[in-house]
Amino acid sequence: KAGVTQTPRYLIKTRGQQVTLSCSPISGHRSVSWYQQTPGQGLQFLFEYFSETQRNKGNFPGRFSGRQFSNSRSEMNVSTLELGDSALYLCASSWTSGGSYNEQFFGPGTRLTVL
Amino acid sequence: AQSVTQLDSQVPVFEEAPVELRCNYSSSVSVYLFWYVQYPNQGLQLLLKYLSGSTLVKGINGFEAEFNKSQTSFHLRKPSVHISDTAEYFCAVSDNGANNLFFGTGTRLTVIP
Repeated sequence: KAGVTQTPRYLIKTRGQQVTLSCSPISGHRSVSWYQQTPGQGLQFLFEYFSETQRNKGNFPGRFSGRQFSNSRSEMNVSTLELGDSALYLCASSWTSGGSYNEQFFGPGTRLTVL
Repeated sequence: AQSVTQLDSQVPVFEEAPVELRCNYSSSVSVYLFWYVQYPNQGLQLLLKYLSGSTLVKGINGFEAEFNKSQTSFHLRKPSVHISDTAEYFCAVSDNGANNLFFGTGTRLTVIP
């Protein structure tokens, strides 16, 4: 069974640009969550999508947005990039959106560098 | 609000020695607790989880953790570490199983030959 895949794995952008990252969940999983990992702030929850609807949102500015498609694939978009957006962006997929616990499986991440 | 504190940012330990990585949490609601491991240039892998029931939880690769409600702790232990255990370890908490996890700042375990 294929794991969670994220594309691209590495990305370099300049300040002011926008970027789109993609996450394909494990087959059958309907929930996709996104996390940002930086040396200074650690791992922080961005948002979760379930059945094409945003279910939870972390404390990030509106420049960070996401969406989920009918096949459960998800994209996140960051507009007007800032140097501080340089990070490893991880996505995680699971069967459902919380409740009785269902394990989240993480992808390898997309490393974004903003110059 | 939930928070997770990992008391040690770096833990060096000799091969075959025991190790304990400490984690304390704060939450006002029922929590689920997790330990994840991250190897270089990889995502997170679940080591073990506490949902309810027995406070001693066994995970993969010989790791175990003990949930202590009175001390709000969930320390990770392994009786004998291997070189391959060198990695970053994250403690995380979830409210009632929600998918938005709150992570600690991580502990870098370095196993010395």
